Amino acid sequence: QKEVEQNSGPLSVPEGAIASLNCTYSDRGSQSFFWYRQYSGKSPELIMFIYSNGDKEDGRFTAQLNKASQYVSLLIRDSQPSDSATYLCAVFTGGGNKLTFGTGTQLKVEL
Amino acid sequence: EAQVTQNPRYLITVTGKKLTVTCSQNMNHEYMSWYRQDPGLGLRQIYYSMNVEVTDKGDVPEGYKVSRKEKRNFPLILESPSPNQTSLYFCASSRLAGVDTQYFGPGTRLTVL
Repeated sequence: QKEVEQNSGPLSVPEGAIASLNCTYSDRGSQSFFWYRQYSGKSPELIMFIYSNGDKEDGRFTAQLNKASQYVSLLIRDSQPSDSATYLCAVFTGGGNKLTFGTGTQLKVEL
Repeated sequence: EAQVTQNPRYLITVTGKKLTVTCSQNMNHEYMSWYRQDPGLGLRQIYYSMNVEVTDKGDVPEGYKVSRKEKRNFPLILESPSPNQTSLYFCASSRLAGVDTQYFGPGTRLTVL
């Protein structure tokens, strides 16, 4: 079982719709959870992070964490063509002081 | 401007020829890390450093070395590169491990023939 799993996609949504990206992780000791966006050929950039169970909102983005189910998601409201990118979920495990990434979900926002 | 720089950005080399990829950050960050990114495998951590003179292996350390003699620099050394080390490499830094925004460098595309 991979430590951090994401559906590779592509996930296609129409402009203005809500895009829902999901991530599961295997280590129950994981402490913090990150969502990065990566455009083709570019370096990843942080969208947001979450530590506690529940929802965290930042503009059009909402991260949701459920530690009991070992599940973290990212919702993008009012999706724009500029949101088309690969979204990487990353999980930090304090015991190992390392950040483990999923393989990413490709999002396509269509006009 | 706060940034992480990497050099070179592109490198084509031959098997066995030692090389170093430099990484430098100007944000006084304690935590620095190297990743490689390969299609279908995502970003995998090679080595990380919690502070000066403190380094540890990530998930794929074989064939790589690092050093952290100064807080700002974290070079990645390939003593004897092989074709399976052909990849896109990213350096990253953050103020602290796991609780902070991690800033990525622009990437180094390495090809080993």
